[in-house]
This record gives sequence, C-alpha cells and structure tokens, in this order.
Amino acid sequence: DQQVKQNSPSLSVQEGRISILNCDYTNSMFDYFLWYKKYPAEGPTFLISISSIKDKNEDGRFTVFLNKSAKHLSLHIVPSQPGDSAVYFCAASAWAQGGSEKLVFGKGTKLTVNP
Amino acid sequence: GAGVSQSPSNKVTEKGKDVELRCDPISGHTALYWYRQSLGQGLEFLIYFQGNSAPDKSGLPSDRFSAERTGGSVSTLTIQRTQQEDSAVYLCASSSGPGLEQFFGPGTRLTVL
Repeated sequence: DQQVKQNSPSLSVQEGRISILNCDYTNSMFDYFLWYKKYPAEGPTFLISISSIKDKNEDGRFTVFLNKSAKHLSLHIVPSQPGDSAVYFCAASAWAQGGSEKLVFGKGTKLTVNP
Repeated sequence: GAGVSQSPSNKVTEKGKDVELRCDPISGHTALYWYRQSLGQGLEFLIYFQGNSAPDKSGLPSDRFSAERTGGSVSTLTIQRTQQEDSAVYLCASSSGPGLEQFFGPGTRLTVL
C-alpha cells in the first residue's frame, strides 16, 4: 500500500502563474517531509522540507504547506518559470520518532511550465 | 565539490546473470542509501548504511539482492540471478548524518532482457 500519494501524475501551468503540487500521506508516524525535483537522466535534487512541528516553510519562490490533521502537504511555486519543468517527488520519513531514516516517496508529478 | 557518483550509468544484462552496481558517496558522508525507481513508480527504499552500525535491509525485495559498504565509503549493490522485474533505475544517496538532507547520484539504469 502506498504511504505517500501524489494523485496528479502531471500538471501544466503558464509561466508566471502559480504551480501547486499536492501530496497525501497515510502514516501518522511521519514527522519530516521533503520535496525533491528530478530532471531526466539526473538524480533527484532536494528542494525544500518541513518538519511536522511547522505548518509552512518558505524558500524564495517555493513554499511548502503542511496540514497534519488532513495528512496533506502541498508545494507552491510562484511565479513559475520554464526551468521549473521537472518531475517533483514528495517524500516523508519517521526518523525523529525513532523510526527509520529511510525516505518514502510518492510516484511524482510531472510539472510543465509553458512560456 | 564532487557529488555522489554511480557506475555504470547504464547496464544491460541477460536474465539469470549477476550484476554489481557501484556508488561513491560524497566524501565524509556517513549515511548511504540505495533506492530504485521502476517505470511509473516512485523511489523505493532498498537499504541504508550508517557508520559502523548494522545496515537497515528492510527494503531489499528478495535474497537475490545484497549490498556492502567497504571502509565506510564506497558501496556495491549486487543482484544475483537477475529477473526482468529487476529492470529499474537504481539510485544511491548519501547524507552527513541521520535525518539530514540526502544527496542523490545520477542513478544506474538496469535493463534485464
């Protein structure tokens, strides 16, 4: 069973507009969440993270929101740029609660930003 | 500075053969992870090494899969008697400690014919 779900396999937005990528999780032990960005033929690159003690973390154009009661997080990119076109993976871990440090990944959402 | 490197970048093998995939983590990183990404799937955890502790092998899909980390640095993932369902991109990551950001290598694309 999938513990981290990204229900939208793809998303297309216009340059300059906001991109919103969604992620849901089922394991209440998860306490640390990350977003990775992946270009073709490259490994994933860390983008932004959030601890479960927060509900928002912002870094430049990227903001991650966490709703623990809904077990939902989202990544907002504003304004979107063509170079943001990539596959975005949501990941979670349960390390701080004594669980494994391994990351559990969603299947990814392919973002296309059109000029 | 140098990132995580993996070799080979591509490997094509015949069903039943053994393969070895190599990972060179970032120098000084004590934690090393192997993941794989099958077509249309997310990254699936395989195994985790942290310093001299016993590895977390909970993600290895079968006893055909094994991994070693020699001298706390380079790691080798071995798949014995490969099957077609082993075809995937195998990704290695390292971090400077538990709970810290994981840096990924470019991956090895394995194709089992």
